[in-house]
Amino acid sequence: NAGVTQTPKFQVLKTGQSMTLQCAQDMNHEYMSWYRQDPGMGLRLIHYSVGAGITDQGEVPNGYNVSRSTTEDFPLRLLSAAPSQTSVYFCASSTANHYGYTFGSGTRLTVV
Amino acid sequence: KQEVTQIPAALSVPEGENLVLNCSFTDSAIYNLQWFRQDPGKGLTSLLLIQSSQREQTSGRLNASLDKSSGRSTLYIAASQPGDSATYLCAVIPNRDDKIIFGKGTRLHILP
Repeated sequence: NAGVTQTPKFQVLKTGQSMTLQCAQDMNHEYMSWYRQDPGMGLRLIHYSVGAGITDQGEVPNGYNVSRSTTEDFPLRLLSAAPSQTSVYFCASSTANHYGYTFGSGTRLTVV
Repeated sequence: KQEVTQIPAALSVPEGENLVLNCSFTDSAIYNLQWFRQDPGKGLTSLLLIQSSQREQTSGRLNASLDKSSGRSTLYIAASQPGDSATYLCAVIPNRDDKIIFGKGTRLHILP
């Protein structure tokens, strides 16, 4: 049982480039979410999804896009990378009633 | 609005000591509470989940308690070891339809 799988683990982008962070879960969880973690700021919610075809914004959605075409996958797209998006990104999943969360191992992104 | 606070932000204790990590939340009406561990450069690993109807949960040397009326949870670590060094995060799920809310964590260092 792989849980939540994130790829890539590390990425360096130039300002203005776009990329997609991948997230997949094999637990048939309805709820999936993306967080960024910055020193002193804790975990901040970027976007979330309560099921296939349904997404919504979290606290810090600007500059990011998501889609949920299947239950398993929830990719995060950076449209035009900025240095302020340098961070560690985590994907998480949970059952529909939020009974416990499972996190991926994270993607460390540096934008230069 | 629910807020989760963890004090202190950092803690160093000698190996072998029993220790308590604290978590407080502002609204006592919670659905459940989850403790996570995060090692440097890694993702979040779930340690214990306490449902609102429960008072405590135990796993090995870890014991988490929940006192909703006072808005507090504690994570007790028995016979601490250097391998317990990590950041410990407390998170609250306000209700079954709501998103998880994290504290900023306590960074624990066990001195050999």
